[in-house]
Amino acid sequence: DVKVTQSSRYLVKRTGEKVFLECVQDMDHENMFWYRQDPGLGLRLIYFSYDVKMKEKGDIPEGYSVSREKKERFSLILESASTNQTSMYLCASSFLTASSYEQYFGPGTRLTVT
Amino acid sequence: AQSVTQLGSHVSVSEGALVLLRCNYSSSVPPYLFWYVQYPNQGLQLLLKYTSAATLVKGINDFEAEFKKSETSFHLTKPSAHMSDAAEYFCAVSGGGGFKTIFGAGTRLFVKA
Repeated sequence: DVKVTQSSRYLVKRTGEKVFLECVQDMDHENMFWYRQDPGLGLRLIYFSYDVKMKEKGDIPEGYSVSREKKERFSLILESASTNQTSMYLCASSFLTASSYEQYFGPGTRLTVT
Repeated sequence: AQSVTQLGSHVSVSEGALVLLRCNYSSSVPPYLFWYVQYPNQGLQLLLKYTSAATLVKGINDFEAEFKKSETSFHLTKPSAHMSDAAEYFCAVSGGGGFKTIFGAGTRLFVKA
């Protein structure tokens, strides 16, 4: 059974803290994605990666960075957390070869910044 | 550029009634279209996808969707709603050789007993 796991389901951090969200997939997928999900806005792409050490900005990269040192792991970093980064964060992965391939999602991390 | 519009942020149906969730897309290239479902406190999972084969696509749990190019639509239907169908549903589009998938804002389905 395919699996994408995220390090935490719920996280509470203080303003200004550095926050790491980890995602691991076991499907040997080339592509990995980080989204944030907010009510009424659907999923918005923060960053994606199509290979180890490669990354591309999505639609809302400001305030975030990412790291992909191994194929199966993709980390999202909030350098200095702010209250407007309170959200649900979803990680996903997919095969590289065609955009017809669906994405597989992790369960999400609900981050609250106080 | 690609975009997705889901009509209705909330839809309420009675158990046993027809489910119809509407999705219109915009794409300058032949699109790939997806419906995903998100149950409470879970990630998204694929219901079905259109990849230019049959225009009527069948998915899990008796859901199906029809690709209508002339209407740029990909509406999701199910003949008879079940309480377990209560969830949020997302329509998505990709294509053109890029990696990005564009998601709609989502439609929350309520099923009344």
